Amino acid sequence: GAVVSQHPSWVICKSGTSVKIECRSLDFQATTMFWYRQFPKQSLMLMATSNEGSKATYEQGVEKDKFLINHASLTLSTLTVTSAHPEDSSFYICSEIGTGTDTQYFGPGTRLTVL
Amino acid sequence: LAKTTQPISMDSYEGQEVNITCSHNNIATNDYITWYQQFPSQGPRFIIQGYKTKVTNEVASLFIPADRKSSTLSLPRVSLSDTAVYYCLVAEGGAGSYQLTFGKGTKLSVIP
Repeated sequence: GAVVSQHPSWVICKSGTSVKIECRSLDFQATTMFWYRQFPKQSLMLMATSNEGSKATYEQGVEKDKFLINHASLTLSTLTVTSAHPEDSSFYICSEIGTGTDTQYFGPGTRLTVL
Repeated sequence: LAKTTQPISMDSYEGQEVNITCSHNNIATNDYITWYQQFPSQGPRFIIQGYKTKVTNEVASLFIPADRKSSTLSLPRVSLSDTAVYYCLVAEGGAGSYQLTFGKGTKLSVIP
């Protein structure tokens, strides 16, 4: 299956700062990437769909100005949490679907803690 | 939206076969069914994917009845390391227009 990496694997930041999380497809070109958020003991919640070269599509209730997504190349999508607050503390996971496949492959996740 | 329903939790002894069933009554014609395994603080790991009938790989089997309104993940001879949360996912749409809804998952606990 596909290999997806995320960086950083964990980050701690102060309230009000911005944090950028990178999601990289290591072995094939990902036309579509997804960003999920997972709170403790809960399921994954889709935040947005990122299509290479176009604007991301956000799920209902997800603030697009707070969670900035950029998918400038076929191997990299970034999620920036702007003006982070403690309630943004969560596990953020990206996934990719390559061209011609319906299978989603997930990154290892990024643990964000906002103090 | 094809909502999925799974048992919240299951317990099994080591060495037994475990079957986890997922209901997806509103599955659409073009939807595939995919199962994932997730350990704490890790991203979900792909296990198996199918469209209909039976699919088998080196780690699991997936059984899908003709009406496709449910699917069953079968894990042969589980070990302690199989303790994890298992999710079934029904992907809707085609390239560029996916709709993805994760259910609550099934927490499998393997007992020695």
